[in-house]
Amino acid sequence: AQSVTQPDIHITVSEGASLELRCNYSYGATPYLFWYVQSPGQGLQLLLKYFSGDTLVQGIKGFEAEFKRSQSSFNLRKPSVHWSDAAEYFCAVPLEGNTPLVFGKGTRLSVIA
Amino acid sequence: NAGVTQTPKFRVLKTGQSMTLLCAQDMNHEYMYWYRQDPGMGLRLIHYSVGEGTTAKGEVPDGYNVSRLKKQNFLLGLESAAPSQTSVYFCASSPPPGRITYEQYFGPGTRLTVT
Repeated sequence: AQSVTQPDIHITVSEGASLELRCNYSYGATPYLFWYVQSPGQGLQLLLKYFSGDTLVQGIKGFEAEFKRSQSSFNLRKPSVHWSDAAEYFCAVPLEGNTPLVFGKGTRLSVIA
Repeated sequence: NAGVTQTPKFRVLKTGQSMTLLCAQDMNHEYMYWYRQDPGMGLRLIHYSVGEGTTAKGEVPDGYNVSRLKKQNFLLGLESAAPSQTSVYFCASSPPPGRITYEQYFGPGTRLTVT
C-alpha cells in the first residue's frame, strides 16, 4: 500500500541556515509527490509537486525538492531559512489509481535567531 | 474567488450531540475530501467524493456521514459526537485526475471539541 514516512518529527534550525526535510515513500509505480506547508492555525498550502521529468523541482518561498527513485525519497530543501518558515511540513503521495492523498505525519520546523 | 471555505471555524459539542460541517468550493472541482488532523497523526482521510451524488469511505470513516448533493458543497455529519472526535477537520477539493494534477486545495479548517 502507498505510504509516506517523514522520519523527523521536529527540527530546529537557526535563521539563515540551510534546511533539509526528509520524505520516503512507498509506491508501486512512478509516483506523484507533493510537499505542503501548514502555518499555525492555517490550512495546508502546496509548496511544490513532482509529476515527471526533471527530478529537481522548484516551489514557492524558495523551496526545492529532489526526487530520487533509487532511494524512494523526495527531500525538501531550502538554502537559507527565514523565521517565517516556522511551520509544519507534510509530504504526500496519491493513493495508487485513486485521487485522495496519503500524508506523512509531518515535520514541525522551528527557527531560532 | 474564495477557494475552499469551511463553516463553522470552531465548535464545542457535548457527547451525544450531532452537528454538520459545511465545505464549499467555487473552483468547479469534481473531487472533494474530508480529513481530520490530530497531533502526531498527520492528516487522515475520513470520506471523499468524486462527483455530485457520490461518496466513498476513507481511512477513518466510522462515526461520520457525508453528503454531496451539490457539486460545490460537501457536508460532514456527526450523528452522535464522541470525545474521540475532538480534532481539526479539513476539507479539500481537486480537479479530476484526467487533468493530471492530483493537487488538492485546502480550506482553513474547523476546530471541534467534544466534551
